[in-house]
Amino acid sequence: AQSVAQPEDQVNVAEGNPLTVKCTYSVSGNPYLFWYVQYPNRGLQFLLKYITGDNLVKGSYGFEAEFNKSQTSFHLKKPSALVSDSALYFCAVRGGGGSQGNLIFGKGTKLSVKP
Amino acid sequence: DSGVTQTPKHLITATGQRVTLRCSPRSGDLSVYWYQQSLDQGLQFLIQYYNGEERAKGNILERFSAQQFPDLHSELNLSSLELGDSALYFCASSSQGSTEAFFGQGTRLTVV
Repeated sequence: AQSVAQPEDQVNVAEGNPLTVKCTYSVSGNPYLFWYVQYPNRGLQFLLKYITGDNLVKGSYGFEAEFNKSQTSFHLKKPSALVSDSALYFCAVRGGGGSQGNLIFGKGTKLSVKP
Repeated sequence: DSGVTQTPKHLITATGQRVTLRCSPRSGDLSVYWYQQSLDQGLQFLIQYYNGEERAKGNILERFSAQQFPDLHSELNLSSLELGDSALYFCASSSQGSTEAFFGQGTRLTVV
């Protein structure tokens, strides 16, 4: 069965420092991986995806993610964090088999960026 | 703005009652998904419809049902509500051949 794990409940970063939010996955077949962000009282916003191709994927708001097949990881990164990046971040993998459209989400990582 | 509209934004109801949540997908999107977000279960996939037909089922309780209408809007019906059904319910939509889904802002259901 497809699954993702986000090992950190919370990540704290100072503004201007690089940030990493970790995600590992377990899939049968080729993984379709996604990152979404949820701001307070808002829906989930799509950040980026990996389907195939380059292992470094660039997304919205300056975020990028590195796909590592050998480590089964898909970590979210940003070179310089902003206070406005503070939010809840979800890693997701696309369901397999007959449920190819739905997403299976990790538990989420709360990112806190302090000035 | 994702283009996915959910109504109502907030809903407070009593145990044992029935409610209907509504979702209008992005223009042209044929697939609609429903998710439940709760503190203990996280984000869980409930059900998917594609062009009016049920496509996939996740962890959806028998007390819950959904449908997608000819104009592609969808409704999630929750009945015999329990305190544990209190959660944020999201609708998402995607277009044919697309790999990512776009989410509405959710309906926050509180069962008292």
